[in-house]
Amino acid sequence: KAGVTQTPRYLIKTRGQQVTLSCSPISGHRSVSWYQQTPGQGLQFLFEYFSETQRNKGNFPGRFSGRQFSNSRSEMNVSTLELGDSALYLCASSPGDSNYGYTFGSGTRLTVV
Amino acid sequence: SQQGEEDPQALSIQEGENATMNCSYKTSINNLQWYRQNSGRGLVHLILIRSNEREKHSGRLRVTLDTSKKSSSLLITASRAADTASYFCATDFTGTASKLTFGTGTRLQVTL
Repeated sequence: KAGVTQTPRYLIKTRGQQVTLSCSPISGHRSVSWYQQTPGQGLQFLFEYFSETQRNKGNFPGRFSGRQFSNSRSEMNVSTLELGDSALYLCASSPGDSNYGYTFGSGTRLTVV
Repeated sequence: SQQGEEDPQALSIQEGENATMNCSYKTSINNLQWYRQNSGRGLVHLILIRSNEREKHSGRLRVTLDTSKKSSSLLITASRAADTASYFCATDFTGTASKLTFGTGTRLQVTL
């Protein structure tokens, strides 16, 4: 079966702009989580959606937001980009039960200049 | 902030040797998972161990969990060059199902 698809793979944006990243989970998976990975802070949880509802949220400013559609596809949006938002953004898909592992996409590498 | 620490931060071994990585965490967990990441790409799920399990095997991987010490270890036996990657432990801790908290990672280099 197809894996988790994240688009785009690479993105370069200017400070102050906004960006939208997309994630298509594995078919049948209802949970989509987002993580930010940077050399300094490591892997940090952004938020998780299950059946179009945000179930959990990490400690990120309100500039970071997300949503999930009825087909389980998810988008995350970052507004008013800052240089520190440069990171690898990873999406993870799971059936929704905490006792399953997560399947990650290849990530979107965002560079803010 | 990250849940725990991994040790060592970096490990260099020769092909055929065993590699052991350790992970410590801070609070009660539902389960602990190990992931591999190759060169800044996506994470690959390796193995999940539940809080009521003490040891689990998958191919050349062996994971142990000691909830009294809040620690886990990942053993890769008979390492191959293809095992070169960063390895992360991630905890799904009690009360926050659906959120993984990652360790700092161990960078493993397997040389021929």
